[in-house]
Amino acid sequence: EVHLVESGGGLVQSGGSLTLSCAASGFTFRSYSMNWVRQAPGKGLEWISYISISGSKTTYYANSVKGRFTISRDDARNSLYLQMNSLRDEDTAVYYCARDRLPAVIHFDYWGQGVPVTVSS
Amino acid sequence: DIQMTQSPSSLSASVRDRVTITCRASQSISSDLNWYQQKPGRAPKLLIYGASTLQSGVPSRFSGSGSGTYFTLTISSLQPEDFATYYCQQSYTTPPTFGGGTKVEIQ
Repeated sequence: EVHLVESGGGLVQSGGSLTLSCAASGFTFRSYSMNWVRQAPGKGLEWISYISISGSKTTYYANSVKGRFTISRDDARNSLYLQMNSLRDEDTAVYYCARDRLPAVIHFDYWGQGVPVTVSS
Repeated sequence: DIQMTQSPSSLSASVRDRVTITCRASQSISSDLNWYQQKPGRAPKLLIYGASTLQSGVPSRFSGSGSGTYFTLTISSLQPEDFATYYCQQSYTTPPTFGGGTKVEIQ
């Protein structure tokens, strides 16, 4: 069974940094592109970042996080990461890792349970 | 970026009602449209991909149609467990974008 489990969230001051992790199991992690999607309190879904399978290591970012967030993966550890720097109040959200149903086609067939990030000024 | 507009933003319906949610794209996205269901405090769940293909395990009362810029999600007979928020998402181009959501509430 596919499982994605996020960790690393919490309360951080504006301007601070945080690294989220997503532990994957139940599937061949290296064969799937992965994403981070977030949801601000009471709001809709916002895709923020994509990473391809390791052969090309292509990454994409939403404009709202470009230059501040970095996505990475460690296939040996079956793990996905999101390094978040220069955090702002508007980054407060639940962050989900999500698997692409097909490599390089960005739609999400499995999601983690989400991890909350609160940025306080 | 491609803008996705859902309507209505919310609706009230009764069990066994037929419900239709609309999603419009700001430009043609072929059939690269996906639908998700989200219940409070839970992660979204993929219902339909490619505009009309049911994800494995999703009940057949859910169906999707459309292409180009106009898409619909239909629930043929609403069940108690279907009360949730539904989102469309385009996978035609990067960045992938979501609609604002449609909350389906009990009448």
